[in-house]
Amino acid sequence: DGGITQSPKYLFRKEGQNVTLSCEQNLNHDAMYWYRQDPGQGLRLIYYSQIVNDFQKGDIAEGYSVSREKKESFPLTVTSAQKNPTAFYLCASTRTSGLRETQYFGPGTRLLVL
Amino acid sequence: RKEVEQDPGPFNVPEGATVAFNCTYSNSASQSFFWYRQDCRKEPKLLMSVYSSGNEDGRFTAQLNRASQYISLLIRDSKLSDSATYLCVVNRGAGNMLTFGGGTRLMVKP
Repeated sequence: DGGITQSPKYLFRKEGQNVTLSCEQNLNHDAMYWYRQDPGQGLRLIYYSQIVNDFQKGDIAEGYSVSREKKESFPLTVTSAQKNPTAFYLCASTRTSGLRETQYFGPGTRLLVL
Repeated sequence: RKEVEQDPGPFNVPEGATVAFNCTYSNSASQSFFWYRQDCRKEPKLLMSVYSSGNEDGRFTAQLNRASQYISLLIRDSKLSDSATYLCVVNRGAGNMLTFGGGTRLMVKP
């Protein structure tokens, strides 16, 4: 069954700790994206990658880092520099980076600060 | 001004009602438009793309007005299962970078 998986579903972070959110897709999609959603707000783009071994900052990249060593995987690290990390994190992918490509989302990870 | 603006609602309607949402966008270079549905604590899922000529999918009709830079979604014969948040999504004019509105919450009551 093709799709996007994210793990864990819930993640707790202590002050000063880096945590990594997993995103895997078996859709053979080239482009992958990370978004953050805060309560009652729309999704904001953190990072995106259009091809393996390449990625670009989105609108709110500060305090986050990513890697794209494999086509299937696009992990997001929330560093200690991100002062307000509590949010719902969504990973998405598209077949290409062209117009009208539907973005498919994973089920999301809720990050909470202890 | 936000790039994509929506009335957050909630819109409370009885079953069987017709309800319409509007969304305005500020980037005149935008070329692709979508409505996504998001259930509580779940990921967004594509409801429908919005085409220049307008398009219909069952009880759902989407319209685009490029001159006024707004998009609409009409839901006819509302069902309880339509209760969700509807996200207006617009591309940024190049490639597939998307901007999401804050969403409009719909609650359909028996």
